[in-house]
Amino acid sequence: EAGVAQSPRYKIIEKRQSVAFWCNPISGHATLYWYQQILGQGPKLLIQFQNNGVVDDSQLPKDRFSAERLKGVDSTLKIQPAKLEDSAVYLCASSGGAATNEKLFFGSGTQLSVL
Amino acid sequence: GDSVTQMEGPVTLSEEAFLTINCTYTATGYPSLFWYVQYPGEGLQLLLKATKADDKGSNKGFEATYRKETTSFHLEKGSVQVSDSAVYFCALSGSNYKLTFGKGTLLTVNP
Repeated sequence: EAGVAQSPRYKIIEKRQSVAFWCNPISGHATLYWYQQILGQGPKLLIQFQNNGVVDDSQLPKDRFSAERLKGVDSTLKIQPAKLEDSAVYLCASSGGAATNEKLFFGSGTQLSVL
Repeated sequence: GDSVTQMEGPVTLSEEAFLTINCTYTATGYPSLFWYVQYPGEGLQLLLKATKADDKGSNKGFEATYRKETTSFHLEKGSVQVSDSAVYFCALSGSNYKLTFGKGTLLTVNP
C-alpha cells in the first residue's frame, strides 16, 4: 500500500517568510498527526486530527502556526511568519484510529531551514 | 505529564555485539509502549510495541519487555548487524492518546 506522502522534501526560507507543508495520509486513515522534530530531539506533537476535526493542538504555537485538514484527507501545515527556531523536520503521520496502542505510519518529513 | 527518558547516544558497536538501549517512562495509568526506528533518509517506522505489563514486543531480532515495576522498556538485540544502524526512539501512548517520544539514540554498527 502507498505510504504517507509529504512535500516538499526540503525547504529553505528566510525568517519572517511564510511556508506551507503538505501531507497525504494512507488511504482510509482517520487520524492524522503533525510532529516537529528539532535536531537531537524526539518528535513533538503539534496537532492531531480525527477526520477533519482537531483532537489536540495544545503544543501548536497558534500565533504563527496553522493547520487544516479539509474533507478529512489531505492536510496542510503553515508557518507565518517563520522564526529561526522553527528550523526542524516536520513529520506527518497517520493511523487508522486513535487508540493508545495504534500504530502510526510516518512520512519521510519536510526538512525546514530558516535563515 | 507523560515523559520518556532514553539512553543518550551515540552508541557504536561491532557487528554481532549485544545491544541494549535503556528506556524509562513516566505516565499515569497504563500506557502502551513502543520502539520506533528511523533509518538514514527514511521516515520513522514502528519496530515493536507492548500494550500491557509483562508483555514482550519483538521484531527483526529486537526485543523489549514492558516492566511496570521499574517503568522501563529496554530494547535488546543479541547480535547486531551493520543494517541495524539507525536512530531508535522509545515512545509511549497514554490516556490522552498522544504519542510521546524520547530524544532518540543513534546506533552505529561497524563491520
